[in-house]
Amino acid sequence: DQQVKQNSPSLSVQEGRISILNCDYTNSMFDYFLWYKKYPAEGPTFLISISSIKDKNEDGRFTVFLNKSAKHLSLHIVPSQPGDSAVYFCAAIDNAGNMLTFGGGTRLMVKP
Amino acid sequence: DAEITQSPRHKITETGRQVTLACHQTWNHNNMFWYRQDLGHGLRLIHYSYGVQDTNKGEVSDGYSVSRSNTEDLPLTLESAASSQTSVYFCASSDPGMDTEAFFGQGTRLTVV
Repeated sequence: DQQVKQNSPSLSVQEGRISILNCDYTNSMFDYFLWYKKYPAEGPTFLISISSIKDKNEDGRFTVFLNKSAKHLSLHIVPSQPGDSAVYFCAAIDNAGNMLTFGGGTRLMVKP
Repeated sequence: DAEITQSPRHKITETGRQVTLACHQTWNHNNMFWYRQDLGHGLRLIHYSYGVQDTNKGEVSDGYSVSRSNTEDLPLTLESAASSQTSVYFCASSDPGMDTEAFFGQGTRLTVV
């Protein structure tokens, strides 16, 4: 049973508009959440993270929102750029603090 | 610059053969992980290590083994390769603790024929 789920396998957005990627989790022991970005033939790279004691973290065009009661987080990209086209993975770490559990990924396509 | 490297980048092997994928990191991280990426499944944890001589099974460990004899290396061995093990394999490393990111290698594409 997947503890971290990304229910949208793909998302297509026009350049300049907002991209919203969603992630749900089931394990209430998860305390830290991360988003990774992956281009073809490359390893995932860290994008942004959020601790469970916060509900929002912003870094430039990227903002992650956490709704702990709903066990839901989302990644907002504003404005979206063609170079943002990649697969985005949501990941979580439990309060033992070491192991990443990943969602299935969402492929984002930003059209010029 | 510190880095994490995997070798080979591509490997084709026959069913039943033993295969070892290498992972080497120069971050001096205690934690190292092996994941496999398959369509529809995202990244699934195979094995992980929290330090030298420490190894643990992940979600999909059957048919795989690892050993950790030093900080820098965590080789992944497929004891008897099966077609179901055709996948892209990623190694990662991180510092201990919750608020740290993991750094990934570029991946090894393994095909078992």
